[in-house]
Formats: sequence, structure tokens, C-alpha cells
Amino acid sequence: KAGVTQTPRYLIKTRGQQVTLSCSPISGHRSVSWYQQTPGQGLQFLFEYFSETQRNKGNFPGRFSGRQFSNSRSEMNVSTLELGDSALYLCASIRDRGYNEQFFGPGTRLTVL
Amino acid sequence: QQQVKQSPQSLIVQKGGISIINCAYENTAFDYFPWYQQFPGKGPALLIAIRPDVSEKKEGRFTISFNKSAKQFSLHIMDSQPGDSATYFCAASMGSNTGKLIFGQGTTLQVKP
Repeated sequence: KAGVTQTPRYLIKTRGQQVTLSCSPISGHRSVSWYQQTPGQGLQFLFEYFSETQRNKGNFPGRFSGRQFSNSRSEMNVSTLELGDSALYLCASIRDRGYNEQFFGPGTRLTVL
Repeated sequence: QQQVKQSPQSLIVQKGGISIINCAYENTAFDYFPWYQQFPGKGPALLIAIRPDVSEKKEGRFTISFNKSAKQFSLHIMDSQPGDSATYFCAASMGSNTGKLIFGQGTTLQVKP
């Protein structure tokens, strides 16, 4: 099976702009979760989607949003970018069997200037 | 209560030695404890995971030891190899209906040849 695909791999934006990141989970997986990874804060949970519904949400401001489509692909959006949003954004494909094993994609490296 | 504390922050081991990374948690509702390995420029890869109903799980050179009463779990890497040099994250989650993982801060392992 193909792994998790995230696009784009790299992005450079300026403050105030918005950005949309995309994630295609492993075929057959219906859930995805998103994480932000920074050197200072580590890996932090953003949100999780299952069958197009947000199932959990982390402690991030409303500028961070996401959605999931009927084919399980997911997007996350960050509006009004701030310098502190520079991070690696990771998507994980979740195998809905028992304890939700999560398989991460390579991430999207976002740099906000 | 939602935190997972990981130590040490960094670790240097000689080739062939044993690498040990420890994690502690407070929330007794956690019931799934995975370990992830991350190489530079890559997303975290699921290494091994354990549930609290067992005290130890072994997969190849990797072993998780779990102490439910102490609320601690650890990763042991036997016969450590230079190729094991990476950052390791422990994590925890609650129940089968959530994809939210709480991660430790990570341990950078360097295995010297």
C-alpha cells in the first residue's frame, strides 16, 4: 500500500497570508489526524477527522481549521499567518482497529516570513 | 494531567550497547502507548506500541517495558547500531475512539561506531 502523501512538502509564506495543506491517507483508512511539530513545543495535536467529521480538536486558535472529504483526503488551513506558525505540519493516517495505530506522512515544512 | 514526560533529552551510546529511554504519565485513562522513531526530514515512524494489560512487548531489538503502578514505560534498544541514531518519541492516548496522541518531548539518540 502507498503511504501517506502530503502536499506541498515545502511552503514559504508571509505574515497575514493564509495557507492550505493537503493530506491523502493510506488507502482504506478513514481517519486522519494533524500535528504541528516545532523545536520548542514538540509534537502537538491539532485535530482529527473521521468520515468527514471532526472528532477531536487540540488547543489551537480558530485560525487553524481543517476538513475531510468523502474520499478521506484531508486539508488543513491556517489563516492570518504568524511567525510562530512556522513548523512542520504532519498528517497521520489512522487504522481504525482497536487502538488507532497512526502512520505519519513526511510533513509539510511551512516557513512564515 | 495530559502530559507525557520523556527523559533523557539526549543520549549517546556505543555501538552494541543498550539504549534506554523513559517516559512517565499522570492520566490513568491513557491506554495505548506507542513509540515513534523520526529521522531528520522525515515524519515519525511507528516503532512499537503497548497496552497497559501487558508489562513487556518485544519486537526484534526493541522492547517496551510498562509499569502500570508507577505510570511509567520505557523503550530499550538492544545491540544499538549507528543506523538507530534518530529522535525517539513516546506517546499516549485514551481509548479506541480517539486519534489524539500526547507526545513526550523526544530523545535524540546518537549511536557511536
